[in-house]
Amino acid sequence: EEQLMESGGGLVKPGGSLRLSCEGSGFNFIKHTMTWVRQAPGQGLEWVSSISASGSYIYYTDSVKGRFTISRDNAENSLFLQMDSLRADDTALYYCAREDYDTSGDFFDLWGRGTLVTVSS
Amino acid sequence: SSDLTQDPAVSVALGQTVRITCQGDSLSNFYASWYQQKPGQAPVVVNYGKNRRPSGIPDRFSGSSSGDSASLTITGAQAEDEADYYCSSRDTSGNHLVFGGGTKVTVL
Repeated sequence: EEQLMESGGGLVKPGGSLRLSCEGSGFNFIKHTMTWVRQAPGQGLEWVSSISASGSYIYYTDSVKGRFTISRDNAENSLFLQMDSLRADDTALYYCAREDYDTSGDFFDLWGRGTLVTVSS
Repeated sequence: SSDLTQDPAVSVALGQTVRITCQGDSLSNFYASWYQQKPGQAPVVVNYGKNRRPSGIPDRFSGSSSGDSASLTITGAQAEDEADYYCSSRDTSGNHLVFGGGTKVTVL
């Protein structure tokens, strides 16, 4: 069974750091661009960051640029998000998602269950 | 522009048809994908690109696009279709992704 499993969330004070992990299983992890998407409580989905299959291409939403770092270890089928200088508005459920594509466009076809990050003093 | 605009909420009678729209400049150049999210669950893709449906998604979910808009149509809505629906696409640069604000669909 194809699966993504996030971990690493928790309660952290403003200005603190957390490192999220996402382990993929049941599929060829090395073939896929991987993405972090977050959802603040009661709010919509927000794209955070994506990393290409090889790790050569990395993109961030403006609000996390310079504070968050996405990375991956294809040998371990794992995706990471290092989050520094955390702010209250980073509080959200963080999902790991697999990107797939065909001639008709790209889309997220596999999602984890999410890991909750709470930034509060 | 990086914004995708959706109506916040729509309602549909059981068995009837509802159309959810998504508007944004980037949709003139990139296809949309559509995600269904039920309370407490992760999103699930229900339609993407040129009206493609992943395996297991009922054919009552169809997608279309025209100009700077995309639509998801549920034909013959079922009670289990009650959920939040999000569109997504690339922004005008093509490097970033963006989600619409979501549409809450209520099946009456």
